[in-house]
Amino acid sequence: GQQLNQNPQSMFIQEGEDVSMNCTSSSIFNTWLWYKQDPGEGPVLLIALYKAGELTSNGRLTAQFGITRKDSFLNISASIPSDVGIYFCAGQAEETSGSRLTFGEGTQLTVNP
Amino acid sequence: ETGVTQTPRHLVMGMTNKKSLKCEQHLGHNAMYWYKQSAKKPLELMFVYNFKEQTENNSVPSRFSPECPNSSHLFLHLHTLQPEDSALYLCASSQELPGQGAWPPDTQYFGPGTRLTVL
Repeated sequence: GQQLNQNPQSMFIQEGEDVSMNCTSSSIFNTWLWYKQDPGEGPVLLIALYKAGELTSNGRLTAQFGITRKDSFLNISASIPSDVGIYFCAGQAEETSGSRLTFGEGTQLTVNP
Repeated sequence: ETGVTQTPRHLVMGMTNKKSLKCEQHLGHNAMYWYKQSAKKPLELMFVYNFKEQTENNSVPSRFSPECPNSSHLFLHLHTLQPEDSALYLCASSQELPGQGAWPPDTQYFGPGTRLTVL
């Protein structure tokens, strides 16, 4: 089946620093999604991308749909303690019918005050 | 607040027990999903329902039995589980299934999950 490689697996940063993470796939996706999961909660959608090359922002978060359609990037600027959590990428491939989203393994972000 | 609720939030059960997980969505969506989230692993799709009809079973063992009595409620009945079934079980819903013609595809909204421990 399809797999997403999400990197890095974990990050430890100081408050105020910028953060970058990415997902890559051997398959082409036509939708890329980025979710954040707080401890004890379900994932919450942060940004959705539907077009190759698309760059979309949500506050301090910016995500890009890779031009090859096989990768996506998420950047967080000026991190704050509440950015702590697990960030997941998810993609939906053209050849996949129905409802299946493929998820990455997540990036655990820790922000030190 | 996502509009998707799950109960219980935590469940500890023995391997011979029978229990059920409940999910309710207050968003008027037509599609509902069960996912399994294990530590250090990607979310695994288990079941999909659209307008109360099961549209996908991702090779889930029969000890997991889903039920969708209406578009707002989804259950996962558990019977004779194994310790390796311990995980966070997440419910999600979306307005429609992806691929139904809407563009962009509808977003899946997740509930808070049920943390299941099988002893």
